[in-house]
Amino acid sequence: EVQLVESGGGLVQPGGSLRLSCAASGFTFSGFYMHWVRQAPGQGLIWVSDINGDGSYTSYADSVKGRFTISRDNAKNTLYLQMNSLRVDDTAVYYCARGGVMAATDLWGQGTLVTVSS
Amino acid sequence: QSALTQPPSVSGSPGQSVTISCTGTSSDIGSYNRVSWYQQPPGTAPKLMIYEVSNRPSGVPDRFSGSKSGNTASLTISGLQAEDEADYYCSSYTSSSTYVFGAGTKVTVL
Repeated sequence: EVQLVESGGGLVQPGGSLRLSCAASGFTFSGFYMHWVRQAPGQGLIWVSDINGDGSYTSYADSVKGRFTISRDNAKNTLYLQMNSLRVDDTAVYYCARGGVMAATDLWGQGTLVTVSS
Repeated sequence: QSALTQPPSVSGSPGQSVTISCTGTSSDIGSYNRVSWYQQPPGTAPKLMIYEVSNRPSGVPDRFSGSKSGNTASLTISGLQAEDEADYYCSSYTSSSTYVFGAGTKVTVL
């Protein structure tokens, strides 16, 4: 089955760190760009970061640049998001998504909730 | 990067057509055909409905169509059905090599 499954979310204090994972299955993981998109409770979608197939190119939203790092392990078919210096406004459901044709994200995981609170 | 501008809500009766606009700038929608639309029913992950301005992925009903003029993209749902009730988001690639979403539009079927 073609799917993405996120994990690693939870409660963390402001200033803390968390690493999210996204396990891919059912497709050739290394052949696709991958993205992280987040959604604060009751709010809209916000693009966070993306990475190309071999991990040599990454891009970030200004709001997370310098604090978050996207990476991938193609041998394990897994995408990561290392989140440091977390802030209260980073609280959101974090989705991983597969980059498809013409920059569209054609496959999404179910999301993992990150709560930043003291 | 500011969010693309969408109306907060649109509504229509079953069988009617509704159109959602998505306004950006010359740095995103106006410069690229990498515009996509997503449907998100409550409590679920987004689903791709339109890519490259007007293309439908396999399995998406042809009631959904997309277009673009200048800095504004549009999603039209023809023959509105109860199952179409959801939040809809547009997205565009940008000149900064990033992506931007719209704030979302809630579609209500009366």
